[in-house]
Amino acid sequence: AQSVTQLDSQVPVFEEAPVELRCNYSSSVSVYLFWYVQYPNQGLQLLLKYLSGSTLVESINGFEAEFNKSQTSFHLRKPSVHISDTAEYFCAVSSSGSARQLTFGSGTQLTVLP
Amino acid sequence: DSGVTQTPKHLITATGQRVTLRCSPRSGDLSVYWYQQSLDQGLQFLIQYYNGEERAKGNILERFSAQQFPDLHSELNLSSLELGDSALYFCASSVDPRGDSPLHFGNGTRLTVT
Repeated sequence: AQSVTQLDSQVPVFEEAPVELRCNYSSSVSVYLFWYVQYPNQGLQLLLKYLSGSTLVESINGFEAEFNKSQTSFHLRKPSVHISDTAEYFCAVSSSGSARQLTFGSGTQLTVLP
Repeated sequence: DSGVTQTPKHLITATGQRVTLRCSPRSGDLSVYWYQQSLDQGLQFLIQYYNGEERAKGNILERFSAQQFPDLHSELNLSSLELGDSALYFCASSVDPRGDSPLHFGNGTRLTVT
């Protein structure tokens, strides 16, 4: 079985400040890790993913996440946030193999304040 | 635009009734997933289909059923509805069912049971 824990349900931060959204996972097999973002009244959109290789992955809008196998973490960071980054962020894990279930964390609401 | 289409966007019905939610996957995607999102349960995986066949089952109630048709669209049937079934139901699709394939989500169907 696999699970995901997002340690913070709400993160308020001022515009242009750095932010870190925390995610820890548990799984008995090799995993793939994802961050999805959900804007109000929309579906989830893939932000970035870790499949293999470099443990640091980046998105096109300045977010990055680092896979840490020893700490079973996949924290999401951005050095300077914008108002438009306000959204709910979900960490997700799926196991390697032919049949997968994507298991989501409970989500972190990021609110960027002016 | 993810390319995944869900209809209807909103559905209001009474307890005990039956509804059908429809999903058209992104062009070229063979795998379809259904998720339920509620405030108390978060994002829960319900069921996955790949090329017309059921591939994985999650926390789907016996009152719920789904299928994927030869044209790859999918329907989620919810029967004997209860107040607790009120939620946002998402459909997602991917090219294949492997764990490294990212999901593309529709904008969801908001079901309200009164």
